[in-house]
Amino acid sequence: AQKVTQAQTEISVVEKEDVTLDCVYETRDTTYYLFWYKQPPSGELVFLIRRNSFDEQNEISGRYSWNFQKSTSSFNFTITASQVVDSAVYFCALRTTSGTYKYIFGTGTRLKVLA
Amino acid sequence: DTGVSQDPRHKITKRGQNVTFRCDPISEHNRLYWYRQTLGQGPEFLTYFQNEAQLEKSRLLSDRFSAERPKGSFSTLEIQRTEQGDSAMYLCASSSLVGIANYGYTFGSGTRLTVV
Repeated sequence: AQKVTQAQTEISVVEKEDVTLDCVYETRDTTYYLFWYKQPPSGELVFLIRRNSFDEQNEISGRYSWNFQKSTSSFNFTITASQVVDSAVYFCALRTTSGTYKYIFGTGTRLKVLA
Repeated sequence: DTGVSQDPRHKITKRGQNVTFRCDPISEHNRLYWYRQTLGQGPEFLTYFQNEAQLEKSRLLSDRFSAERPKGSFSTLEIQRTEQGDSAMYLCASSSLVGIANYGYTFGSGTRLTVV
């Protein structure tokens, strides 16, 4: 079975602090994709990053960075110098590489960045 | 490209009533998805269309739910005899065949259904 676990339900930080959101996944597929999405209060899911199972390179995009470790089935997301605008619910998701391409989402982590 | 549009944004209905939601995908996208998101949970897959063909339905989609995508353009999701457990955000997403491999879906803002 495929499963995504985001154990942190809610995190509160003070602006400018760094914060890491954890994601652990389970799959028997050898090829798969992992995603992070941001869901602001408006409800729309905003794509942040996609990582395929062959590429374990970490990635940095501005204040965002992602750490993919296949050995521990983890795909963690770090926001450096957090800002109030980062407040949202963040979802990690696993997706197949063929067929329906449907997502398996985690339960999300609500991030509150306090001014 | 105006994104994925969903209508209405909010719907309050009485238990037992029928409701219909509409999704307008990005025009060149041939893949269309419906997901349901309940409070405190991540979105869960409901159904998938490739053009006008409904190719997969989740077991979550009971016989009270029906989805259509006539002519492979917009899609509708109908819930008959609504129950309080149907209260959720219903998200639509679309993608092209090339785009889905590289970028994933584009999601709409969702329709929030409240059954009272």
